[in-house]
Amino acid sequence: GQQVMQIPQYQHVQEGEDFTTYCNSSTTLSNIQWYKQRPGGHPVFLIQLVKSGEVKKQKRLTFQFGEAKKNSSLHITATQTTDVGTYFCAGPYIQGAQKLVFGQGTRLTINP
Amino acid sequence: DAGVIQSPRHEVTEMGQEVTLRCKPISGHNSLFWYRQTMMRGLELLIYFNNNVPIDDSGMPEDRFSAKMPNASFSTLKIQPSEPRDSAVYFCASSTRDNTDTQYFGPGTRLTVL
Repeated sequence: GQQVMQIPQYQHVQEGEDFTTYCNSSTTLSNIQWYKQRPGGHPVFLIQLVKSGEVKKQKRLTFQFGEAKKNSSLHITATQTTDVGTYFCAGPYIQGAQKLVFGQGTRLTINP
Repeated sequence: DAGVIQSPRHEVTEMGQEVTLRCKPISGHNSLFWYRQTMMRGLELLIYFNNNVPIDDSGMPEDRFSAKMPNASFSTLKIQPSEPRDSAVYFCASSTRDNTDTQYFGPGTRLTVL
């Protein structure tokens, strides 16, 4: 079945540094979603990307969807302590399916 | 509006006991998902329902696990008998079939089986 791989698994940065997590799928995705889970919390939807090469921004967060729609990235500029958490990407198991396959997540910790 | 509601938030039980986890999806959402999260295996989909009908239960680990959705506003996940390896955080999520299929997660139930 479809697999979604995320790297790195862990990332520790100093506050103010940038952070990037990468997501790669074994198959072409119709869309990709990103979620954030704070420590002790639950996954919260951040954004969905649909179009090839799409770039979306949310304040300091920049999301990209690859031209081949098999990879995606999340970049955070000038991290803040509020960015701490685990970031997951997720793609449909098959096109049109509601079932999502989640990556393993990238856990971000920040030294203030 | 209330989000997805799960109960209990924490459950500690002994091996062999029956455990029932409960979920109330967001009103108007017609899809419901049960996930299990552990450090070793990450976030795994166990089963999901669409319009109260189970669509895909391929993630249910074994016959000890069962899930029901008797109506649009309530679902249960039951483990009988429970085993220590079932210890995990169980999330329920709901969504509505629209352009995004965004899933809204509940706060989770942290299950510890001794």
